[in-house]
This record gives sequence, C-alpha cells and structure tokens, in this order.
Amino acid sequence: QVQLVESGGGVVQPGRSLRLSCAGSGFRFSHYGIHWVRQAPGKGLEWVALISYDGSHQYYADSVKGRFTISRDNSENTVYLQMNSLRAEDTAVYYCARDLLGYWGDYWGQGTLVTVSS
Amino acid sequence: QSLLTQSPSVSAAPRQKVTISCSGSSSNIGNNYVSWFQQLPGTAPKLLIYDNNKRPSGIPDRYSGSKSGTSATLDITGLLTGDEADYYCGTWDSSLSAWVFGGGTKLTVL
Repeated sequence: QVQLVESGGGVVQPGRSLRLSCAGSGFRFSHYGIHWVRQAPGKGLEWVALISYDGSHQYYADSVKGRFTISRDNSENTVYLQMNSLRAEDTAVYYCARDLLGYWGDYWGQGTLVTVSS
Repeated sequence: QSLLTQSPSVSAAPRQKVTISCSGSSSNIGNNYVSWFQQLPGTAPKLLIYDNNKRPSGIPDRYSGSKSGTSATLDITGLLTGDEADYYCGTWDSSLSAWVFGGGTKLTVL
C-alpha cells in the first residue's frame, strides 16, 4: 500500500538547521513529485516546497526561499527538506504529499513536528 | 494573509447543504485548477476535489466543486456530523510559481 513517512523533526534552537526526510513506499516513487506542507499550532495549512519527479525543478514559498532546500534521492525513495536559519515561526507539523503531474494530495504522511525554540 | 480568501467558519444542520467559497485572482484561481482538502482534527489533510470539480476515488458525490472566474466553491450535501472539519482550497499561483492555500473554513454541523 502507498505510504509516505516523514522523519527528522524535533526541537532546535533559532538559527540552527534541521533536515526532514519523506520516505515513500508502495508506489513508483521516481514518477512522483513531492510537496512539503506545514501547519503551525492552531493555524491553517501553508505550502512550503515542491520537487519534481526527477529533482530537476524545485519551487518554494517566499517564506522559506533562501533558507530551505528540497532535494531527493530516488535510489532511496526519499525526499529531503534541509531547513537552515530556522526561526520561531517555522514551528509546525511538516507533512509531505505526492504529486503526479499536478494531481496531488491523494496520499500524505502522518507529519513530523518541528519546534524552534531557545 | 492568504492570497485565497475563505470565510473562517460556516455551520449548518445535519442533512442540510453547505457551500464554502474561495476567492482569488487571475494569477491563481482565474488561470489554474482548484483543489479542496478536508482536515479532520489531529489528522493529515485529505484530498476531496481536484481540477475544480473532480473527485478522487472513494470520495462520495455529496462533495462537489465548481469554479467561476476567480472564485471557487465546495458544496457538501446531506451533511453528517462526521463532516465537521476544516476545509481548505488551494491552487497554483502563476505569478509566485508556488502553490497557495486559503486560510481554511471550519465547518460545524449543528
């Protein structure tokens, strides 16, 4: 069955870095783009980033551009979100979801919590 | 402030119909497909509608979507208490080259 599993969340101090992973299984991972979406406590959904199926294209929300980098390793069926210069406002549950040529969100991971605090 | 505007909340009685609206602009809704997501408390979002009005497999036809100009709507008929959730519209914004979500609408089934 299709599964997306996020990992790598935790508590980190402002200004530090963290790398999240999104591991896919049960489908042809290399055929799908992957989105990252986050949700701050008690707030709405915020789209973060998208990487194309082959990693050749990346897109970012303005709020993370220049600080976050999305990448993928199709041999490991994993997409990464490298988060640098973290701020308190980056505190959120981070979800990944798959994308097939613009049809996306049919499967999501369970989310991983990132807390940025001193 | 989101580029897509949704009413913060809506309510209706069981078995009634509710409409959730989403307003944008020509750079997003006006020229791109709209999706709708449902998020039950404490869970990941779930895709309800894509390409303005298509339902993924397994989504009942009580949920329907439409788009006109720079606005989109999600209709839910035959409301159930289990429909109580947050609903988000979303679409690609061509000016930003980024996906955007609405602020979400909390549905209460009285």
